[in-house]
Amino acid sequence: RKEVEQDPGPFNVPEGATVAFNCTYSNSASQSFFWYRQDCRKEPKLLMSVYSSGNEDGRFTAQLNRASQYISLLIRDSKLSDSATYLCVVTGLTGRRALTFGSGTRLQVQP
Amino acid sequence: EPEVTQTPSHQVTQMGQEVILRCVPISNHLYFYWYRQILGQKVEFLVSFYNNEISEKSEIFDDQFSVERPDGSNFTLKIRSTKLEDSAMYFCASFDRGGLLAKNIQYFGAGTRLSVL
Repeated sequence: RKEVEQDPGPFNVPEGATVAFNCTYSNSASQSFFWYRQDCRKEPKLLMSVYSSGNEDGRFTAQLNRASQYISLLIRDSKLSDSATYLCVVTGLTGRRALTFGSGTRLQVQP
Repeated sequence: EPEVTQTPSHQVTQMGQEVILRCVPISNHLYFYWYRQILGQKVEFLVSFYNNEISEKSEIFDDQFSVERPDGSNFTLKIRSTKLEDSAMYFCASFDRGGLLAKNIQYFGAGTRLSVL
């Protein structure tokens, strides 16, 4: 089983749509959870941290379910500029602080 | 906003040559990382560095790789004898332990694209 698993997509959605991404991780000892965004051939950029209580940042909502080892990201009112690859990231796997990345889910928002 | 700086942005080298990739982490950060991303694949951890020594490394980080912090600002990744499969984007990241330790937020440089011919 992959350490961090994501649906690769692509998700093609119209502007204004709501889209949800899911991610599962293999190690129940994982400590910290994030969503990063990566544009083509660019560096990963932190979108938001993910907490068990759920957290929201504008149009973005992240949820963590530790019991199911499941992380989600909801994007409301999609913009063209949201087109990117969304990376699910965890730390604490095998006792490391290093980030472990999923392969990413590609989102294409269309006009 | 402070940023992690990497040079060069693109490095072309012949197989078997040594390359050094350079990074200037954010100035008050204490933990430094190298990751790589082969085209079309996920970002993979290589090594982390703290207090002038390697604190963690992955299976990818074999004897061909080394890291160094030669002065107070630079953090380098050396590949001794490059192979074709070393072609990838190499990202440097840094992390400020501070009060956000539990959140472990790492900031990435723009990357160096290494092409081994």
